[in-house]
Amino acid sequence: AQTVTQSQPEMSVQEAETVTLSCTYDTSESDYYLFWYKQPPSRQMILVIRQEAYKQQNATENRFSVNFQKAAKSFSLKISDSQLGDAAMYFCAYRSAETSGSRLTFGEGTQLTVNP
Amino acid sequence: KAGVTQTPRYLIKTRGQQVTLSCSPISGHRSVSWYQQTPGQGLQFLFEYFSETQRNKGNFPGRFSGRQFSNSRSEMNVSTLELGDSALYLCASSPGQEQAEQYFGPGTRLTVT
Repeated sequence: AQTVTQSQPEMSVQEAETVTLSCTYDTSESDYYLFWYKQPPSRQMILVIRQEAYKQQNATENRFSVNFQKAAKSFSLKISDSQLGDAAMYFCAYRSAETSGSRLTFGEGTQLTVNP
Repeated sequence: KAGVTQTPRYLIKTRGQQVTLSCSPISGHRSVSWYQQTPGQGLQFLFEYFSETQRNKGNFPGRFSGRQFSNSRSEMNVSTLELGDSALYLCASSPGQEQAEQYFGPGTRLTVT
């Protein structure tokens, strides 16, 4: 079974600064997907960024980028130029590409506070 | 396209009762997954339905069941409610292909008293 671990329950950052959220995972599979989801106070889960394990290039989406280290099983999220609207709970998630289905395994989450 | 909708948004039930939650996926999506979110256990996968068939199932007791209709709408049912079933229940839809993204609904907040 796969597991996802987020070791930072809470993080804070000053507006316009950069913050990095950590995520590690454990799997015996070689083909999978990794995701970062954002859950603001409204509780609506929003996909921030995704990474395919077979791609060596790190994914980027505007101010969001990841540092994917497959050998180390590490998948961190960097948020640049932080904005007040980035304040939310962030979840790292794993999905197998070797078994059928869309099942996501989530980490415990990191609560991000953005200070003005 | 309209997003994923879940009804009802809030629900209060008494221990021992049963409850049915509904999820309408994005038009054209054939896969619906259900997750339970609690402060203690975090986000846990319940089950996934694809083209009216259960494709995956998490580690939940048999009191938790689901189904999917021909229009891809899905329902989940919890029988003999326990206090520990109080949670936010999220559903997510996707087209069903391997690489497809999942889109989440706003959730149903269930409180069991």
